[in-house]
Amino acid sequence: KNQVEQSPQSLIILEGKNCTLQCNYTVSPFSNLRWYKQDTGRGPVSLTIMTFSENTKSNGRYTATLDADTKQSSLHITASQLSDSASYICVVSAVNTGTASKLTFGTGTRLQVTL
Amino acid sequence: DTGVSQNPRHKITKRGQNVTFRCDPISEHNRLYWYRQTLGQGPEFLTYFQNEAQLEKSRLLSDRFSAERPKGSFSTLEIQRTEQGDSAMYLCASSLLSGVEQETQYFGPGTRLLVL
Repeated sequence: KNQVEQSPQSLIILEGKNCTLQCNYTVSPFSNLRWYKQDTGRGPVSLTIMTFSENTKSNGRYTATLDADTKQSSLHITASQLSDSASYICVVSAVNTGTASKLTFGTGTRLQVTL
Repeated sequence: DTGVSQNPRHKITKRGQNVTFRCDPISEHNRLYWYRQTLGQGPEFLTYFQNEAQLEKSRLLSDRFSAERPKGSFSTLEIQRTEQGDSAMYLCASSLLSGVEQETQYFGPGTRLLVL
């Protein structure tokens, strides 16, 4: 069964600090991995996408890494801001066989940035 | 606003009533997805359309749920005889299938349903 597990479940950090969120997956055959940011009461917004051959991708203060051998990914947030407070969801896609993109969602890490 | 829009944003209903949600995808996106998300969980796939054809439905989509996309543009999701367990956020996403494997789904803000 395709699964995506994220840790920690929740995290509280001070503004300006860095943090790293983890994602482990067992999705096969692997196509790509995305990190989404979901603000409370809003839909998810894509931050990064990585394919099998990519092991790092940056989007501003967000840097995602991918180790396809160990099936692990991380999302590093640098110099956190209050607006980074949100849930961060790891989403893994299986190879598109012509039907719907087979997305497997993690349960997310709830990040709270405080003063 | 050229993003995915959903209406209503919030809906409170009594158990047993029918509700209908609407999703307007990004213009020219040919794929449209419906998901359900409960508190503290990631979205769960319900169904998707390619143009006007409903190509896949999850086992989560009971007989009380029906979705349509009559003209290949907007879509509606109807829940009949609502139950308290239907309380959740219903998310719509759209994408453009262009032959590139990494299609990106763009999500709407969701409709939060509360069944009393």
